[in-house]
Amino acid sequence: GAGVSQSPRYKVAKRGQDVALRCDPISGHVSLFWYQQALGQGPEFLTYFQNEAQLDKSGLPSDRFFAERPEGSVSTLKIQRTQQEDSAVYLCASSPRQGTDTQYFGPGTRLTVL
Amino acid sequence: KQEVTQIPAALSVPEGENLVLNCSFTDSAIYNLQWFRQDPGKGLTSLLLIQSSQREQTSGRLNASLDKSSGRSTLYIAASQPGDSATYLCAVSHTGTASKLTFGTGTRLQVTL
Repeated sequence: GAGVSQSPRYKVAKRGQDVALRCDPISGHVSLFWYQQALGQGPEFLTYFQNEAQLDKSGLPSDRFFAERPEGSVSTLKIQRTQQEDSAVYLCASSPRQGTDTQYFGPGTRLTVL
Repeated sequence: KQEVTQIPAALSVPEGENLVLNCSFTDSAIYNLQWFRQDPGKGLTSLLLIQSSQREQTSGRLNASLDKSSGRSTLYIAASQPGDSATYLCAVSHTGTASKLTFGTGTRLQVTL
């Protein structure tokens, strides 16, 4: 079956632009996660959804970052007024039930802010 | 705050060798520990998940152990192959916030012919 997909795979933005990153989880998966991975580092947690409810957004680095999952399936991570330090790979993961299950990761979106 | 450390940061071995990757974490109140593999330009693939009540898990040539009290886990790879070349990441979920994974920085493994 289809895995987690993310689009776009690569995004180049000028500093100050807004960007939107999309995640399509595995069909039927209840939980969805966003992580940020800087070059040479491990992924860092950003936010977690159970269905459409955002249960944990403690990892979002600033109020420029916003995530939504309005119908409990597709999710969008939006970054407003991008800055160079936002350059990273943004990974999305989903899991079948609650967040303690194995997480299945997408290929990521590489964001470069110039 | 949970901190996860992996050593070595990079490792190069000839094909056929057995090897051990190490992971340590500062807070033993974990829910589970996972080992992932990451290939360049790709997402993470889960290799093994060990619940906090377990001591080890095995899958093929991979064996992961967990010593929660000492805050350590090891990933043992037997008879390494060039296809094992990748970055290996360990991650823990914490009791009480079980949905959130805290990752180490990874070990970059190269298996040479």
